[in-house]
Amino acid sequence: ESVLTQSPGTLSLSPGERATLSCRASRGVRSNYLAWYQHKRGQAPRLLISGASSRATGVPDRFSGSGSGTDFTLTISRLEPEDSAMYFCHQYGSSFFVFGQGTRLEIK
Amino acid sequence: QVTLKESGPVLVKPTETLTLTCAVSGFSLTSGKTGVSWVRQPPGKALEWLAHIFSSDDKSYYTSLRSGLTISKDPSHGQVVLRMANVDPVDTGTYYCARIFYGDRKGFYFDYWGQGTPVTVSS
Repeated sequence: ESVLTQSPGTLSLSPGERATLSCRASRGVRSNYLAWYQHKRGQAPRLLISGASSRATGVPDRFSGSGSGTDFTLTISRLEPEDSAMYFCHQYGSSFFVFGQGTRLEIK
Repeated sequence: QVTLKESGPVLVKPTETLTLTCAVSGFSLTSGKTGVSWVRQPPGKALEWLAHIFSSDDKSYYTSLRSGLTISKDPSHGQVVLRMANVDPVDTGTYYCARIFYGDRKGFYFDYWGQGTPVTVSS
């Protein structure tokens, strides 16, 4: 089964800056079926990106996904205070769902 | 409007069987390119997928993480149930159910989530 490794573990940035979050798969992700989620404490996770680069309904265009094969990136431009959260990448393959260990984004 | 809501005991003793229920509305448990999954998050740790059941009734479990899991559905009542046998304190965490969607060539992903239900395993 594939392993998803996210980096960095923690990211601390100021409002208005750009955040770049990485997700690396131990095996190629089938048809780039990679998703990203935002998870704030005490709330349900929220789908941000599916298919590596398609924004979910209602997600601001400050959020963008890119990548293929084994290397994927979530970019958040023009950070806002409410972007403070954990971010997880996620894939499905061979009847299993796998999550990365997450990146904690802190807004100073 | 798609909604999911988890329910179950807040406190469970070690070796007991944990039963969690996910009440769904706004979509069918027996048709469409959807399914329901259970995901948990131990305190301070990452999300962990546990099991899923598709509308076709296909099921899968993360047995490498946790054995003793059983997932089932009751379409007439709009429920998906997860049973976890022989619980241990390491099973403490927040348990979420989420809808799987795979009908748009963007893969299999969780587009709707419940708010989660906390479970503590302790004697």
